[in-house]
Amino acid sequence: AQSVTQLDSQVPVFEEAPVELRCNYSSSVSVYLFWYVQYPNQGLQLLLKYLSGSTLVKGINGFEAEFNKSQTSFHLRKPSVHISDTAEYFCAVRILNDYKLSFGAGTTVTVRA
Amino acid sequence: DAEITQSPRHKITETGRQVTLACHQTWNHNNMFWYRQDLGHGLRLIHYSYGVQDTNKGEVSDGYSVSRSNTEDLPLTLESAASSQTSVYFCASSASPRGEQYFGPGTRLTVT
Repeated sequence: AQSVTQLDSQVPVFEEAPVELRCNYSSSVSVYLFWYVQYPNQGLQLLLKYLSGSTLVKGINGFEAEFNKSQTSFHLRKPSVHISDTAEYFCAVRILNDYKLSFGAGTTVTVRA
Repeated sequence: DAEITQSPRHKITETGRQVTLACHQTWNHNNMFWYRQDLGHGLRLIHYSYGVQDTNKGEVSDGYSVSRSNTEDLPLTLESAASSQTSVYFCASSASPRGEQYFGPGTRLTVT
């Protein structure tokens, strides 16, 4: 079975500063990797996904993530955050040819002026 | 535009009552999922369905059931609500393993 660990439960950051959210996974087979964002009182929205190919993946709202197979990591980054990036972020994995997602516990990002 | 909706958005019920949460999607996706979201646990899979008449248990299925009589709907039933089932419930659907899972807005359920 696969599992996901998000290493930081809360990340406070100042506006226009960079942010990195760390995600590690474990799986005995190849996986697809995802980052979702949940704004307050809303459902989840896909930020980006890694399926194959280039290990650097660009997503919406200026976010990007890098897949590192040797370290089994998929860290999310943004070079300059805005107040509107305040949200909860979830890393998720799915094994190939399966439909089920396994989620990490989430990282709450709070952006302050 | 295609969408996925959940109803009700908020529900308060008493211990022991049966509760059904509705999920409806208009993407014509075969694959539908129910998750619960609890602080410190992220989202955990309750039940899922790969098509009409198909249902499967997820990692936290005890006390929950689903049925799939058509492509669009996957209602989640709590047979006898317990306080431990107080949570936010999300429904999702997808077309393929490589595709995105689309999430509904969630239902906040409180069991008193």
